[in-house]
Amino acid sequence: DAKTTQPPSMDCAEGRAANLPCNHSTISGNEYVYWYRQIHSQGPQYIIHGLKNNETNEMASLIITEDRKSSTLILPHATLRDTAVYYCIVRDPLGLYGGATNKLIFGTGTLLAVQP
Amino acid sequence: KAGVTQTPRYLIKTRGQQVTLSCSPISGHRSVSWYQQTPGQGLQFLFEYFSETQRNKGNFPGRFSGRQFSNSRSEMNVSTLELGDSALYLCASSLTSGTGAYEQYFGPGTRLTVT
Repeated sequence: DAKTTQPPSMDCAEGRAANLPCNHSTISGNEYVYWYRQIHSQGPQYIIHGLKNNETNEMASLIITEDRKSSTLILPHATLRDTAVYYCIVRDPLGLYGGATNKLIFGTGTLLAVQP
Repeated sequence: KAGVTQTPRYLIKTRGQQVTLSCSPISGHRSVSWYQQTPGQGLQFLFEYFSETQRNKGNFPGRFSGRQFSNSRSEMNVSTLELGDSALYLCASSLTSGTGAYEQYFGPGTRLTVT
């Protein structure tokens, strides 16, 4: 089961910042938080990841609370092309056979609708 | 650098048949994972391969199998197709596999329809 909870949908005005929240209250100390997004019928696209510190790249910023139980993805200036389902994922790095794994457990995500 | 490619993009099969889907990872990437996406179950992990070895597998019946070749290309096979196997099958590649943080890059998917 997914280790994260997200609101099912959010709206944002074009040009404004989109702030997408995510709760991950059971996160362990060595588990990373990842964000991916999926535009309709395309493969998911990697956005950003973080462990403890806030992170920023050309697409977004990731703010992780000090207790690491929640995080917020920020799209600074949302455009219509940012309309997508956004997935917050806490990856369990240990696989079925006990070794490392890249397995991602997707929840239902947040459908962000950017309005003109 | 070319992205992840999946072939074919669309496929229609009949119940009881088998199907093989192919995934070519980004050059230099050694980890390949497969996911199934359906409207009812969302995105579900099928299996992961790294250096030709299966690293992990999801909760799918034995009809679903996969393999990875020495050039990191991967195939997945579904035998005795059922209507419920209709889905978008996604492949993701990553530089490596481990307890660290590794970005995964997804292909466009193969849309399988079982009639």
